[in-house]
Amino acid sequence: DTEVTQTPKHLVMGMTNKKSLKCEQHMGHRAMYWYKQKAKKPPELMFVYSYEKLSINESVPSRFSPECPNSSLLNLHLHALQPEDSALYLCASSQEWSGYEQYFGPGTRLTVT
Amino acid sequence: SQQGEEDPQALSIQEGENATMNCSYKTSINNLQWYRQNSGRGLVHLILIRSNEREKHSGRLRVTLDTSKKSSSLLITASRAADTASYFCATDGGATNKLIFGTGTLLAVQP
Repeated sequence: DTEVTQTPKHLVMGMTNKKSLKCEQHMGHRAMYWYKQKAKKPPELMFVYSYEKLSINESVPSRFSPECPNSSLLNLHLHALQPEDSALYLCASSQEWSGYEQYFGPGTRLTVT
Repeated sequence: SQQGEEDPQALSIQEGENATMNCSYKTSINNLQWYRQNSGRGLVHLILIRSNEREKHSGRLRVTLDTSKKSSSLLITASRAADTASYFCATDGGATNKLIFGTGTLLAVQP
């Protein structure tokens, strides 16, 4: 199984809502990532988890809160987002952090109204 | 910014033709990877080339790496309509080992 799954596929939320994005992989990968991608731009790294510990936070605003409950799951909790946070949010995993190909999920298309 | 630059930004070719995309980067790397992204979907890993390698092949893909020029190229031979997608190079290197994506090339293969 070389699949990374993400739910939901689409999410529309107001600026006062709290929602969560979920990512799951069963490849035994020890590194997991959240990326943000705006239209016609490359993915931008947000967070890296290695062995379930947060290793990189790319100065992401605190309204985005990552969580890694176990080695297969990665969540991104959203609260008080702004319209400019609307984007495609991609989850990825790799065997280890650095030096390995990353497997991406299909993404969650987020719209903040 | 450490982001790589890709050239051309957009490329339109006929089915059966070859497509070449170039990537230039700024810092030393451990490896360079190429990914494909179909419109609005997740990225698919194509090939990884390490800094001590100069050329790598995978099916119809050929990747070259010139670390002295800090550049790489991706060649897709005998293109198909299904190759229509955005292609990104990504460099892995430096103190933080983050994967930094280039600006991307949008390839359109006309049937």
